[in-house]
Amino acid sequence: NAGVTQTPKFQVLKTGQSMTLQCAQDMNHEYMSWYRQDPGMGLRLIHYSVGAGITDQGEVPNGYNVSRSTTEDFPLRLLSAAPSQTSVYFCASSYSFTAYYEQYFGPGTRLTVT
Amino acid sequence: AQTVTQSQPEMSVQEAETVTLSCTYDTSENNYYLFWYKQPPSRQMILVIRQEAYKQQNATENRFSVNFQKAAKSFSLKISDSQLGDTAMYFCAFTYNFNKFYFGSGTKLNVKP
Repeated sequence: NAGVTQTPKFQVLKTGQSMTLQCAQDMNHEYMSWYRQDPGMGLRLIHYSVGAGITDQGEVPNGYNVSRSTTEDFPLRLLSAAPSQTSVYFCASSYSFTAYYEQYFGPGTRLTVT
Repeated sequence: AQTVTQSQPEMSVQEAETVTLSCTYDTSENNYYLFWYKQPPSRQMILVIRQEAYKQQNATENRFSVNFQKAAKSFSLKISDSQLGDTAMYFCAFTYNFNKFYFGSGTKLNVKP
């Protein structure tokens, strides 16, 4: 199993540009989520999905869109990039109905918006 | 609202010694799960240890153990026999439902030779 994969690893955008961060998992996990990590603030939940076709907002959803058309993929779209979106983005996935709710994380995408 | 607080932004410990990282949380839920994650310079998030709130016994994984105080809403991580490879950011995390995890701001641990 490849686990959770994210592409790209690094990206530089200009203000106003749009892009999609890709996330895929091959563990048949139902739950997937996107976090951003900023210095001194830990990880904050952007959006999450409890299954194909079902998504919901997390703590900091503004400026981001998601969709979940398949179990494997959960892309994150930045509609109009802003410098405040400079961050490291992590995708994570987990099984449902487990006693542990362990999340598996991707390697992260470092995004810089100039 | 659920919150997780790590009050130690940075800590240092000598190799082979013991260090304790603090974490407190706030929730009105009765059943939940707590985790410690390690993030080395590679950025990969690695699960270190987890604790179910309904279990009174503290979780242990080799050199890592927790002190879970449910009434005080405290969940500290003890690392025994610290090794250079333990140098990393450590995040405390909490969840009570499907997929919403709440993370603390992290503690940067430096293990010195």
